[in-house]
Amino acid sequence: TQLLEQSPQFLSIQEGENLTVYCNSSSVFSSLQWYRQEPGEGPVLLVTVVTGGEVKKLKRLTFQFGDARKDSSLHITAAQPGDTGLYLCAGAGSYQLTFGKGTKLSVIP
Amino acid sequence: EAQVTQNPRYLITVTGKKLTVTCSQNMNHEYMSWYRQDPGLGLRQIYYSMNVEVTDKGDVPEGYKVSRKEKRNFPLILESPSPNQTSLYFCASSWQENYGYTFGSGTRLTVV
Repeated sequence: TQLLEQSPQFLSIQEGENLTVYCNSSSVFSSLQWYRQEPGEGPVLLVTVVTGGEVKKLKRLTFQFGDARKDSSLHITAAQPGDTGLYLCAGAGSYQLTFGKGTKLSVIP
Repeated sequence: EAQVTQNPRYLITVTGKKLTVTCSQNMNHEYMSWYRQDPGLGLRQIYYSMNVEVTDKGDVPEGYKVSRKEKRNFPLILESPSPNQTSLYFCASSWQENYGYTFGSGTRLTVV
């Protein structure tokens, strides 16, 4: 079973601060996907990164895939209360999706 | 609207009483999967399907069955539910695994 270590597990910051969430593994994935989940709802896809070294931007969110395709990071600039939620990384390969345990982000106004 | 629909949304049942959770997608996706989400353990894959009549076990398949007779439907069957199967279940679909999955809204199952 492939494992994805996600850190930090919890993060509480003030509105306007920057933050980075990390997702690491010893396994190589064909892609790394980031999701956001609200309580009691299904995860919603934010982005998929496929190529080693790839960087994607989604407004204030920047996603990076490691050169070796084993790790990824999510950076949020100037966090807002609407960014509050559970952020999940997931590695894809061999028709399976392996999830990290998530980072619970709270942005305080 | 493109979506994955799960039913029921909430279910309370007794140990040993067979149940089925339905999942349907309207996006003509090839891939479908079932996950369970538990506190401290995160999302774990139960079963997945690459196409009609093609299914395989995920990380936690014990006590579950699936079938994929049609492309759009992928039901999850618990033949004899036990309390340790109390969990939040999600169905998801994708047309290609590297393009990300669309998840259903979840089924909260309680087995007493």
